[in-house]
Amino acid sequence: GAVVSQHPSRVICKSGTSVKIECRSLDFQATTMFWYRQFPKQSLMLMATSNEGSKATYEQGVEKDKFLINHASLTLSTLTVTSAHPEDSSFYICSANGAGRAYEQYFGPGTRLTVT
Amino acid sequence: GENVEQHPSTLSVQEGDSAVIKCTYSDSASNYFPWYKQELGKGPQLIIDIRSNVGEKKDQRIAVTLNKTAKHFSLHITETQPEDSAVYFCAATSGTNTGNQFYFGTGTSLTVIP
Repeated sequence: GAVVSQHPSRVICKSGTSVKIECRSLDFQATTMFWYRQFPKQSLMLMATSNEGSKATYEQGVEKDKFLINHASLTLSTLTVTSAHPEDSSFYICSANGAGRAYEQYFGPGTRLTVT
Repeated sequence: GENVEQHPSTLSVQEGDSAVIKCTYSDSASNYFPWYKQELGKGPQLIIDIRSNVGEKKDQRIAVTLNKTAKHFSLHITETQPEDSAVYFCAATSGTNTGNQFYFGTGTSLTVIP
């Protein structure tokens, strides 16, 4: 149980284009989803927290107009990187928790974004 | 806010030996402490967790201990195997509802030498 998927696993895009990453909870309803960014050999950096049906809460320093987050249903959240630039290249990971899992966060497998 | 420190940053052990990773936290309100294993190119996987009303928890070769007074908790892996090689992250959070922010340590890269 508690499986979270992400799609795509890898994406390469050209500078200036937008990329959408999907995060799905497969066997539970995720009332809250989290988006993280991870640089090589570093810890996870929380970007934003999203609750189903509400606007995401962004961490300080994260541009909400650049990283658009939508949590439209209890099983799906999306992160759209708009007008991507090479410095946006990173490993993006989502996690989810929800009813019956008051504390635990279950992570997706991550998405490797490369902007050329 | 919460500050979680993790040591060591790298750890090498011989296969069969034990490995110990330690974390300290600053916020006495933190009450849930998970440990995650992350393999290269993959997302973190929850391997064990402990809540503040418990001092120790064990799951086969993995155990976690918590000292609330000293504000530190540790991951113990016994009889290490090469497949235990990965980066391990500790985390701390507080609250009783979903959606609470996790504060992560900086990670420990564990290498088990066959």
